[in-house]
Amino acid sequence: DAGITQSPRHKVTETGTPVTLRCHQTENHRYMYWYRQDPGHGLRLIHYSYGVKDTDKGEVSDGYSVSRSKTEDFLLTLESATSSQTSVYFCAITQEARYEQYFGPGTRLTVT
Amino acid sequence: AQSVAQPEDQVNVAEGNPLTVKCTYSVSGNPYLFWYVQYPNRGLQFLLKYITGDNLVKGSYGFEAEFNKSQTSFHLKKPSALVSDSALYFCAVRDGGNAGNMLTFGGGTRLMVKP
Repeated sequence: DAGITQSPRHKVTETGTPVTLRCHQTENHRYMYWYRQDPGHGLRLIHYSYGVKDTDKGEVSDGYSVSRSKTEDFLLTLESATSSQTSVYFCAITQEARYEQYFGPGTRLTVT
Repeated sequence: AQSVAQPEDQVNVAEGNPLTVKCTYSVSGNPYLFWYVQYPNRGLQFLLKYITGDNLVKGSYGFEAEFNKSQTSFHLKKPSALVSDSALYFCAVRDGGNAGNMLTFGGGTRLMVKP
């Protein structure tokens, strides 16, 4: 699992509230990613990071922001959650030498 | 731009029979191709990859995949399916020149292996 943890693992929140999801890795990887998984869409990239304080947008970044103040932590924030953001969120890292991405266990977010 | 298509939402196969899960891709540069498997309520697990070299690549749990450049395909195969292979399978691609290592995933194919 490449030492990736996500917290919380499950969360139920109300529309309009802010939500922050945390991804933590223990192996000092440079690249980190946030994806969302929805039926029929596979995984879609929200944001990614290529170093401390270096981030960029992915395919579905509207309504999300990220921060990376330390190599090991990558935070995903929903500023004002909407029902369309109900999804399973996965964090990933790239093992650069092998070009392989490894995923965390996921966070199931429900926005009511 | 890069894209992946998995034309089958579900593949059904009997235990012991060979299985194939299809994937086609589109990239502007050299393709790096990957297969992942997801079991219920779990994250994605890496199965195998093609970067360069031999077109037939072998991965975990007896799976293999064949890279076909002319057909832009990377189908996942296994000679003899197990019930425990039942899961959701994702194909992914990145452009070899993509500095961000960003993958694009297909929509997934559910594999059902029946006893």
